[in-house]
Amino acid sequence: NAGVTQTPKFQVLKTGQSMTLQCAQDMNHNSMYWYRQDPGMGLRLIYYSASEGTTDKGEVPNGYNVSRLNKREFSLRLESAAPSQTSVYFCASRKGDRLNTGELFFGEGSRLTVL
Amino acid sequence: GIQVEQSPPDLILQEGANSTLRCNFSDSVNNLQWFHQNPWGQLINLFYIPSGTKQNGRLSATTVATERYSLLYISSSQTTDSGVYFCAVAGGTSYGKLTFGQGTILTVHP
Repeated sequence: NAGVTQTPKFQVLKTGQSMTLQCAQDMNHNSMYWYRQDPGMGLRLIYYSASEGTTDKGEVPNGYNVSRLNKREFSLRLESAAPSQTSVYFCASRKGDRLNTGELFFGEGSRLTVL
Repeated sequence: GIQVEQSPPDLILQEGANSTLRCNFSDSVNNLQWFHQNPWGQLINLFYIPSGTKQNGRLSATTVATERYSLLYISSSQTTDSGVYFCAVAGGTSYGKLTFGQGTILTVHP
């Protein structure tokens, strides 16, 4: 039982390049999340998916797109990376949907540097 | 959306000391969790505690939902307790989105 798996763990991009962060969970959870963590800023929600086929913007969605490919997978795409997107990205999942109950579980994180 | 405030922002302890971390939130919640981020960056679930009291070894947590706060108690602290402690909440208008506090940075010296 792997839980929440993110790839890649580390990535260095040049400004303007594109990339996709992949996330998969094997807990049959309905909700999936992408957060970013910057020094001194805590975790901020980028996008949220309450179920397959639905996505909602979070606090900081600009510059990102997401795809809920199926119940297991939720990808985050940077179309044209900017230095301001240098951050640690965390994927998470939760059994509940738009109801708030249920425990959130995180992946190991992906460290992205944009030069 | 719900505002979450954690205090203190930083805490330095000697091994063996006790501590209390606080999480205040601005609206009613039906989801509240405490996480520990270790020095390697992993986010570890400590408690899922939208109300009431729970204990797990040297750690315990209490949420008083009617007064909009939660407390995390660490007793007999160890150096391995060092890291950042986050509180995350969701309430009636969150529709599943959990909001995190800024965290408390805990340093335990031997």
